[in-house]
Amino acid sequence: SAVISQKPSRDICQRGTSLTIQCQVDSQVTMMFWYRQQPGQSLTLIATANQGSEATYESGFVIDKFPISRPNLTFSTLTVSNMSPEDSSIYLCSVEAERSYNEQFFGPGTRLTVL
Amino acid sequence: GDSVTQMEGPVTLSEEAFLTINCTYTATGYPSLFWYVQYPGEGLQLLLKATKADDKGSNKGFEATYRKETTSFHLEKGSVQVSDSAVYFCALRGGGFKTIFGAGTRLFVKA
Repeated sequence: SAVISQKPSRDICQRGTSLTIQCQVDSQVTMMFWYRQQPGQSLTLIATANQGSEATYESGFVIDKFPISRPNLTFSTLTVSNMSPEDSSIYLCSVEAERSYNEQFFGPGTRLTVL
Repeated sequence: GDSVTQMEGPVTLSEEAFLTINCTYTATGYPSLFWYVQYPGEGLQLLLKATKADDKGSNKGFEATYRKETTSFHLEKGSVQVSDSAVYFCALRGGGFKTIFGAGTRLFVKA
């Protein structure tokens, strides 16, 4: 299994600013993902964070808006840039641990409100 | 592409009632199937899984059977409790690195 922490747990931000969300895992993992979950909705995959190389973004998400870093196998950050109220959402970090047979573990999420 | 369809919520039940949440999928090959649960204010956690046809996943009184002939993975529990109130997501993992999640079904259990 894997235990994941995220910081901050929630934030209220002004339009046009940026917020960086941190994800820390208690063990080394190969796969790390960032999701967005809008109120009452399912999860939308933003990108796969790749250690040592650029993240792989899903359709509709771009690096300029959601830059991601992954300096090692236990840590990643997601930045939400130039925020607008439409970015208000819960952002979830998720990992797939070694020998987990495709099971994913999720962080508690970061609840972002943009005014 | 791969997809998951699950019944819309919310589902409202009285305590000790029988629960079924329907889930069907479309996928090539032989995907692994999952049910995740999200309690209020928390991230998702795995509830149960099945990796091949006719497998039954079970946990905390919940069960789901991988039915390849009907491409279904319905979630059932014989007697729900108030503490089961949460959002339930059906999901599949095919040949790639992405897990496909259903829209989620919110369950309310009344005392």
